[in-house]
Amino acid sequence: GQNIDQPTEMTATEGAIVQINCTYQTSGFNGLFWYQQHAGEAPTFLSYNVLDGLEEKGRFSSFLSRSKGYSYLLLKELQMKDSASYLCAVRSSNSGYALNFGKGTSLLVTP
Amino acid sequence: NAGVTQTPKFRVLKTGQSMTLLCAQDMNHEYMYWYRQDPGMGLRLIHYSVGEGTTAKGEVPDGYNVSRLKKQNFLLGLESAAPSQTSVYFCASSYGAGKRVNSGANVLTFGAGSRLTVL
Repeated sequence: GQNIDQPTEMTATEGAIVQINCTYQTSGFNGLFWYQQHAGEAPTFLSYNVLDGLEEKGRFSSFLSRSKGYSYLLLKELQMKDSASYLCAVRSSNSGYALNFGKGTSLLVTP
Repeated sequence: NAGVTQTPKFRVLKTGQSMTLLCAQDMNHEYMYWYRQDPGMGLRLIHYSVGEGTTAKGEVPDGYNVSRLKKQNFLLGLESAAPSQTSVYFCASSYGAGKRVNSGANVLTFGAGSRLTVL
């Protein structure tokens, strides 16, 4: 089976940096994904890691350590529009390469 | 290019009624998925399909059936709706395994969601 843990809620200030952690246990690991989901909307893809290390994409970066079963999403220069839920998901070679999602981290960005 | 389209967007059912949710994608994706999302539970996989004519069970398949008669469509059916099936349902699709993520091929693309209430 698969188990994915991430904090339920986080709060950060506009312009700051925030790190959202995710730990996982899985068989047949085939990549770790981060999605953003605004209230009432569909999840949208942010980043993907399949090898260890840091992937940078503008204000967003994601890190993966497969040996530790650990990832984080780093958001820099926070903006009010970054207030959303951030979903950590693991892709496995089981279940048709479906994504198995954590429960999500609700991020509130305050002025 | 509409991406992934779900119909209907909203529906209210009475216990015991049946209905079908339709998911259509125009990206020539091979793999399609149905998830449900409930408060505090995250997204959970109901059923998935790795190609036309094939379907398989996910994490929470009970009470649902699916069909993939055409590559672009993936139908989710509730034969006898129950209040526990009140949820937001998301369809997603992807090219499948073995593609470079930089091309966007490995990414699941989601539909806008269908909010179902069972009274």
